[in-house]
Amino acid sequence: EIVLTQSPATLSLSPGERATLSCRASQSVSRYLAWYQQKPGQAPRLLIYDASNRATGIPARFSGSGSGTDFTLTISSLEPEDFAVYYCQHLSNWPPLTFGQGTRLEIK
Amino acid sequence: QVLLVESGGGVVQPGGSLRLSCAASGFTFSSYGMHWVRQAPGKGLEWVTFIEYDGSNKYYADSVKGRFTISRDNSKNTLYLQMNSLRAEDTALFYCASPAYGDYINYWGQGTLVTVSS
Repeated sequence: EIVLTQSPATLSLSPGERATLSCRASQSVSRYLAWYQQKPGQAPRLLIYDASNRATGIPARFSGSGSGTDFTLTISSLEPEDFAVYYCQHLSNWPPLTFGQGTRLEIK
Repeated sequence: QVLLVESGGGVVQPGGSLRLSCAASGFTFSSYGMHWVRQAPGKGLEWVTFIEYDGSNKYYADSVKGRFTISRDNSKNTLYLQMNSLRAEDTALFYCASPAYGDYINYWGQGTLVTVSS
């Protein structure tokens, strides 16, 4: 089973700042990695797939990078609505399909 | 637009059973594999199970293997999850979900809450 480890667990930033979230896989997942955003009381929303492709309707301030075992989600300039929990998830050699434990992005 | 509506959640005693349903609309249900993903209160996301578009293959997380069974009725555009031998640790919000962009989960229902408690 591929384990995804996200860091940091919590990130405290202010609107307008740049956010950098990390996801590390226990073995290579090539570029088969997605990022999701989840707000309280809502289902997750797909932001990025195949490590760097934005899903339909996702603002350009969200970008993904990486391959192999190390991946990054960057939010270039935080908007108030971006404060949420973010999960990475892999699609390599599944099942099982696994998620990271999440990074909580909170307002400083 | 894609719409997934789960139902069937509730409170059940340890060792009990429950059957969840997910009514799908807005896409060709019979052409897509479907997932169940759960989220314990205040915790992260856990993939539970997947079924191929025609029901030919089914995959399970180790935590539910042998206790949960996924199935589908393409004539009714409905996905099911039969849960037996329920444990306290199965308490969670259960989402049905469908893929896009290949196999990535893109569409989610609103979830149905399962509480296992005596």
